[in-house]
Amino acid sequence: DSGVTQTPKHLITATGQRVTLRCSPRSGDLSVYWYQQSLDQGLQFLIQYYNGEERAKGNILERFSAQQFPDLHSELNLSSLELGDSALYFCASSVGGNSPLHFGNGTRLTVT
Amino acid sequence: GDSVTQMEGPVTLSEEAFLTINCTYTATGYPSLFWYVQYPGEGLQLLLKATKADDKGSNKGFEATYRKETTSFHLEKGSVQVSDSAVYFCASRTGANSKLTFGKGITLSVRP
Repeated sequence: DSGVTQTPKHLITATGQRVTLRCSPRSGDLSVYWYQQSLDQGLQFLIQYYNGEERAKGNILERFSAQQFPDLHSELNLSSLELGDSALYFCASSVGGNSPLHFGNGTRLTVT
Repeated sequence: GDSVTQMEGPVTLSEEAFLTINCTYTATGYPSLFWYVQYPGEGLQLLLKATKADDKGSNKGFEATYRKETTSFHLEKGSVQVSDSAVYFCASRTGANSKLTFGKGITLSVRP
């Protein structure tokens, strides 16, 4: 158990809808990272937050947004969903510096 | 930015065979290098890491040496087990508190 909790585990929704994925980092970890894993694109970095502030942005679509709250949990919001957004979404956390990233078990999103 | 290239898969081996999974990287600075493993239905787990040239990371019988001259971080294990069947990802990270850049991952299947 990595200590990173992601909910829900599975999500099935229709095109055009909006969903929210939630991540609770390990106790004491200030950094949260979001990744998308798909068969054709592999693991793609989406966005990073550190202690409530956005720190780095990757290949995140404008339809997607995220935030980190004062209690350090994070949410990834995906809107106007398309079939191609179907993927595994992982959250990872880190205490900072050069410490490794610890990953949650992911949320599997299926858009029908 | 960083990029990581892994050998094409999948790889199928018999139990007790020797394993090598190739990984090369490009980076503008001095990256830390990682191997992560993903078992079915789970998130990524850190397998081993190396933070500077000539460092050897090791864990659970797996080893990888950070070779700056060849920009490589190949994963090896002398005798694989069925329980090693998983997807293996090589990753790099340049700079403290920065994101991980992953290779495409390779699926290893070990048959009894």
